[in-house]
Amino acid sequence: GDSVTQMEGPVTLSEEAFLTINCTYTATGYPSLFWYVQYPGEGLQLLLKATKADDKGSNKGFEATYRKETTSFHLEKGSVQVSDSAVYFCALSDDKLIFGTGTLLAVQP
Amino acid sequence: EPEVTQTPSHQVTQMGQEVILRCVPISNHLYFYWYRQILGQKVEFLVSFYNNEISEKSEIFDDQFSVERPDGSNFTLKIRSTKLEDSAMYFCASSGQGYAGNTIYFGEGSWLTVV
Repeated sequence: GDSVTQMEGPVTLSEEAFLTINCTYTATGYPSLFWYVQYPGEGLQLLLKATKADDKGSNKGFEATYRKETTSFHLEKGSVQVSDSAVYFCALSDDKLIFGTGTLLAVQP
Repeated sequence: EPEVTQTPSHQVTQMGQEVILRCVPISNHLYFYWYRQILGQKVEFLVSFYNNEISEKSEIFDDQFSVERPDGSNFTLKIRSTKLEDSAMYFCASSGQGYAGNTIYFGEGSWLTVV
C-alpha cells in the first residue's frame, strides 16, 4: 500500500542554519503531498502542501517541491529559528492522510 | 481562525473501562476523522465519517471502537473495553471536502493512558 518514509531525527541545528528533512513516498496513484508540524503541546498544523508533480508548496520560509521522478517531497528552509523547533510530519493523501514517522527538529540559539 | 477542539486533553483509565473522546469539528466541515499516535510511532488513520456514516476504517478500528455524531456539532470516538495497547494520542480532524488535495485540520489531541 501507499507509504511515506522520512528521515529519522532528532535533527539538531544552530539558529540560521539550513534545514533539509528528507521525505520519500510510495503510491500507486497520484497523491497530494503535505508537511504537517506539531509544536510542543499543540496539535498537528498544516505547514504546506502540493497537489501535483512539480508543484512547490511554501509557507513561513519553508519549501517543498513535489518530485514525481524521485518520489520525494523534501522540506527545506534557508535559515531556521529557535521557534521552528517542532516535530515535522510528511504525509500523502489519496482520500485519507498517510503519515511518516515524524522528525524532531531542535534549533539551538 | 476556526479550529478543531478536543476533550479531554488527557485521560487515564483502567483496562476494560469504556472511554469516550469528544471532538468539535470546524463548523462548516462535512468530513470527520480520527487518527491515533502511539508514543514514538507513526500517526495512524482510524476512521473517516461522512453523511452520518463511516466511509472508511482501518484494520485498527475493530469492534471495540465506534464513532458517532450525536448532534450537529460533536463527533465522538468510543472505545468499549480499553486495552493497554490503546494508550496513545488520539487526534480528531475535519475537512470541508473529501478529495485528496483538500486540507485536513487537526485538533490538539487527547492523550489516553490505559493502566
